[in-house]
Amino acid sequence: EVHLVESGGGLVQPGGSLRLSCAASGFTFSSYWMHWVRRAPGKGLVWVSHINSDGRSTNYADSVKGRFTISRDNAKNTLYLQMNSLRADDTAVYYCASTVVTLHSYDYWGQGTLVTVSS
Amino acid sequence: SYELTQPPSVSVSPGQTASITCSGDKLGDKYACWYQQKAGQSPVLVIYQDNKRPSGIPERFSGSNSGNTATLTISGTQAMDEADYYCQAWDSTLRVFGGGTKLTVL
Repeated sequence: EVHLVESGGGLVQPGGSLRLSCAASGFTFSSYWMHWVRRAPGKGLVWVSHINSDGRSTNYADSVKGRFTISRDNAKNTLYLQMNSLRADDTAVYYCASTVVTLHSYDYWGQGTLVTVSS
Repeated sequence: SYELTQPPSVSVSPGQTASITCSGDKLGDKYACWYQQKAGQSPVLVIYQDNKRPSGIPERFSGSNSGNTATLTISGTQAMDEADYYCQAWDSTLRVFGGGTKLTVL
């Protein structure tokens, strides 16, 4: 069974940094694209970033480009999101998601980790 | 930047059919998928590649995508279907979400 478990969220001051992790199990992690999606309080889902299976190709939403970095360690079955220069509008629940069985969609999601940017 | 537009809210009576639309420029040329998110839970994929249902999703969920509009249809809506629903468009680089629709089952 596929499991995605995020960690690393918390309270951080504006301008600070945080690294999120997503531990994957139940599938061949190194074969699949992985994604980060967030949902701010009272708002909708927003795509943040994705990375291809070998980690050589990445893409970012304009709102986080230059501040966030997605990466993966296929030996550890773990996805990361390094978040720098955090702003109040980055406050959200961050989900990792995978595309394993279905195409052109996120078929498995983690439980999410809350990031709060506030002084 | 590409935008997808959904109605903020849709109401339906139990047992009736609910339709949620998602509009975007030439959306029919892209793949559309739909997610259900209940309060306090992670999103769940209910339709992918316009009209395919993942394993475990009830047959009452169906989808279509043509022209500028994708539609999620829930036939025989049940109280358990009350949730936020999000469409998403995919092409070679696009992964944008719609703003979400709150489905209320009255």
